[in-house]
Amino acid sequence: QKEVEQDPGPLSVPEGAIVSLNCTYSNSAFQYFMWYRQYSRKGPELLMYTYSSGNKEDGRFTAQVDKSSKYISLFIRDSQPSDSATYLCAPIGPYGQNFVFGPGTRLSVLP
Amino acid sequence: DAGVTQSPTHLIKTRGQQVTLRCSPKSGHDTVSWYQQALGQGPQFIFQYYEEEERQRGNFPDRFSGHQFPNYSSELNVNALLLGDSALYLCASSGPEGLNEQFFGPGTRLTVL
Repeated sequence: QKEVEQDPGPLSVPEGAIVSLNCTYSNSAFQYFMWYRQYSRKGPELLMYTYSSGNKEDGRFTAQVDKSSKYISLFIRDSQPSDSATYLCAPIGPYGQNFVFGPGTRLSVLP
Repeated sequence: DAGVTQSPTHLIKTRGQQVTLRCSPKSGHDTVSWYQQALGQGPQFIFQYYEEEERQRGNFPDRFSGHQFPNYSSELNVNALLLGDSALYLCASSGPEGLNEQFFGPGTRLTVL
């Protein structure tokens, strides 16, 4: 079993839709859960991160962590064409170790 | 404030050659990590440097080595290049305020022929 798994997509949605991006992990030592957005031919940029189970909201983005089931989600409300990118989840250990990225989910928001 | 910068942008090498990639961290950051990202894949952690020493290493062979300088900039060296080394090489920096917040550079696209 891979340490971090994501559905690679591509996921195509119409503009304004609510998008749900999911990620599972196997290492229970992971304590921080990062979401990165990567546009084509660019480096990843940090969207948000959470520490504990539960929800964290930042504008149109909501990150959700369920440590008991080792399941991470990122929700995007009112999706825009500018949200079209690859979304990478990256759980890490308590001291910044074991920095592991998922394969990413490619999202396309159609105008 | 300049973010993370990397050079060169693109590089073409042949099998067996050696390559050196460079990274300057974001201002105020003292930790540099290197990642390899194959097409359609997520970044794979190569190693991390802090205080001029390798602090963590991923599952990469010894052909991959690095260095960090007193000004926190870093180099990634790859010897005896293989076709499979073709990838986007990303540098990320983080600061004392949080190892969790890694800021990435635009990457160096390496093609091995």
